[in-house]
Amino acid sequence: EPEVTQTPSHQVTQMGQEVILRCVPISNHLYFYWYRQILGQKVEFLVSFYNNEISEKSEIFDDQFSVERPDGSNFTLKIRSTKLEDSAMYFCASSGEVDQPQHFGDGTRLSIL
Amino acid sequence: AQSVTQLDSQVPVFEEAPVELRCNYSSSVSVYLFWYVQYPNQGLQLLLKYLSGSTLVKGINGFEAEFNKSQTSFHLRKPSVHISDTAEYFCAVSDLSAQGGSEKLVFGKGTKLTVNP
Repeated sequence: EPEVTQTPSHQVTQMGQEVILRCVPISNHLYFYWYRQILGQKVEFLVSFYNNEISEKSEIFDDQFSVERPDGSNFTLKIRSTKLEDSAMYFCASSGEVDQPQHFGDGTRLSIL
Repeated sequence: AQSVTQLDSQVPVFEEAPVELRCNYSSSVSVYLFWYVQYPNQGLQLLLKYLSGSTLVKGINGFEAEFNKSQTSFHLRKPSVHISDTAEYFCAVSDLSAQGGSEKLVFGKGTKLTVNP
């Protein structure tokens, strides 16, 4: 069964540094999402992406965050200047149609020191 | 705006016992409903979904859930659990009428199910 893959599985970064989290969605999917889960808290929506532009973003997704689909397969989340509170598990998801379930990757655990 | 409440943060049960994990939601519009499972150190895996039609939905691994519109609930059930069902379970909703290609999921806080021998 096709899967959403995320790399790296664990990223350790110094505060203030830029980090890029990478995702390869399922190949024929059109809708892409990033979520995050701070340890012990609920999974929170960050941003959705369709037709090469952001469809919706949450209040968490401020100017330090950006997303990009640089080619036909990758979907990236960039955090420009990381803060301690950005430490979390980041999940990428994709869906084929807007009313179909989202498929999630295994996540990238981001640790900011 | 939607919200999801999972009343039980932890549910311990013995193997082969039945289990019910509760989920209530709040929304001013019609919604799709989902249950996802997260095994340790893994991502979220879809267990089952309610989009329309029959209010009793069957999913993978013997789980089922019933949509109750009047009670705004979507409780997850399994008649007999296994040790391997030990995981965290998340209830989620999305807006049926969302436009612009975004149907973000709104998650509950999760319920940790521990199945003991």
